[in-house]
Amino acid sequence: DQQVKQNSPSLSVQEGRISILNCDYTNSMFDYFLWYKKYPAEGPTFLISISSIKDKNEDGRFTVFLNKSAKHLSLHIVPSQPGDSAVYFCAASAIVLTGGGNKLTFGTGTQLKVEL
Amino acid sequence: NAGVTQTPKFQVLKTGQSMTLQCAQDMNHEYMSWYRQDPGMGLRLIHYSVGAGITDQGEVPNGYNVSRSTTEDFPLRLLSAAPSQTSVYFCASNPGQPSRYEQYFGPGTRLTVT
Repeated sequence: DQQVKQNSPSLSVQEGRISILNCDYTNSMFDYFLWYKKYPAEGPTFLISISSIKDKNEDGRFTVFLNKSAKHLSLHIVPSQPGDSAVYFCAASAIVLTGGGNKLTFGTGTQLKVEL
Repeated sequence: NAGVTQTPKFQVLKTGQSMTLQCAQDMNHEYMSWYRQDPGMGLRLIHYSVGAGITDQGEVPNGYNVSRSTTEDFPLRLLSAAPSQTSVYFCASNPGQPSRYEQYFGPGTRLTVT
């Protein structure tokens, strides 16, 4: 049962335009959402996050939107740059692990390609 | 400050062999985790640790053991490798509050079991 879904395996965008990556979730107990970026042969790196008490969070060219009623979040990249070409994973957290940690549930990823 | 390091980068095992994937972090983080990444599956949590001497199972723990004798190191042991364990393995650490959600990942180990 995939609780976090990224239905688009790939996305191609022209340099300078907006990239919109989407993520849907099914567990209404998720209270924190994150986006990670992954280049080939490297580990994922944290990009941006949003708490469920907010509907928008912005950091430079990156904005994450959360629509709780639709159980949907999106990552907007404006303007897109060739260096943004990577796999983007969304992740959601709800469960507090034994000892106080949080378990992240990841989506399957979207490969973004920004073309010149 | 090297962050999270993993060795080896690549490994090929025969079915039934055992091995240990090494993970170390120099950020003094309390929490450490192991994930595996498979095509179409995202990253799935294998085991995690909330501090030295404390470990627990994630969602796909079968076939793997962990221990945490120091804050820095969190090795993952494959007891008897199976082809289903062919995957890319990522170790991650987390400092706990107030950044308890953000994981810092190592570069990964690509494991093939034949």
